[in-house]
Amino acid sequence: DIQMTQSPSSLSASVGDRVTITCQASQDISKYLNWYQQKPGKAPKLLIYDASNLETGVPSRFSGSGSGTHFTFTISSLQPEDIGTYYCQKYDNPPPFTFGPGTKVDIK
Amino acid sequence: QVQLVESGGGLVKPGGSLRLSCSASGFTFSDYYMSWIRQAPGKGLEWLSYISDSGNTVYYADSVKGRFTISRDNAKNSLYLLVNSLRAEDTAVYYCARDGGIEVAANDFWGQGTLVTVSS
Repeated sequence: DIQMTQSPSSLSASVGDRVTITCQASQDISKYLNWYQQKPGKAPKLLIYDASNLETGVPSRFSGSGSGTHFTFTISSLQPEDIGTYYCQKYDNPPPFTFGPGTKVDIK
Repeated sequence: QVQLVESGGGLVKPGGSLRLSCSASGFTFSDYYMSWIRQAPGKGLEWLSYISDSGNTVYYADSVKGRFTISRDNAKNSLYLLVNSLRAEDTAVYYCARDGGIEVAANDFWGQGTLVTVSS
């Protein structure tokens, strides 16, 4: 099975900072990489699908890029409501649709 | 609006079984693949299983293959997960999620989760 890694595992940044998270797949997954945000006690929320497509209703400060095995997720200007844990997920066939281990983001 | 509501979780002894349910509304359930995903306390997300729109195709993570069974009843707009031979490490919040299909190849809507606790 394809393994997913994320870095960093946690980060602390100031409001207004640019934040970048990377996700690496152990094999080529083309564009089939999604990003989710999870706030404490809540279900995950889809932010980005197909590596770079912004889900409807998601603020434009969130973006994604990459293909193949290396992907990047960016928050252009960190806001207080952005604290939570961010997960990447590979979604190419066949399953399993493995998640990365997560990156915890908080405010400095 | 799309709603997914899980139920059926609870406290169960090791070796026991549960049937988790997910009731769907706000969309044409029979048009979408569906998944189960879990999260152990303080841990990350673990994809478990998915089922095609018709129910004819299913996939499982190796960690639950042979112990968990996914199914659906399109007439009742419901998704199920039968969990057998439960172990302490199966303790988690279990989420159902919709597969967004060709337009959105991702889990685009999630339920609030149901907690399964395996303990003697």
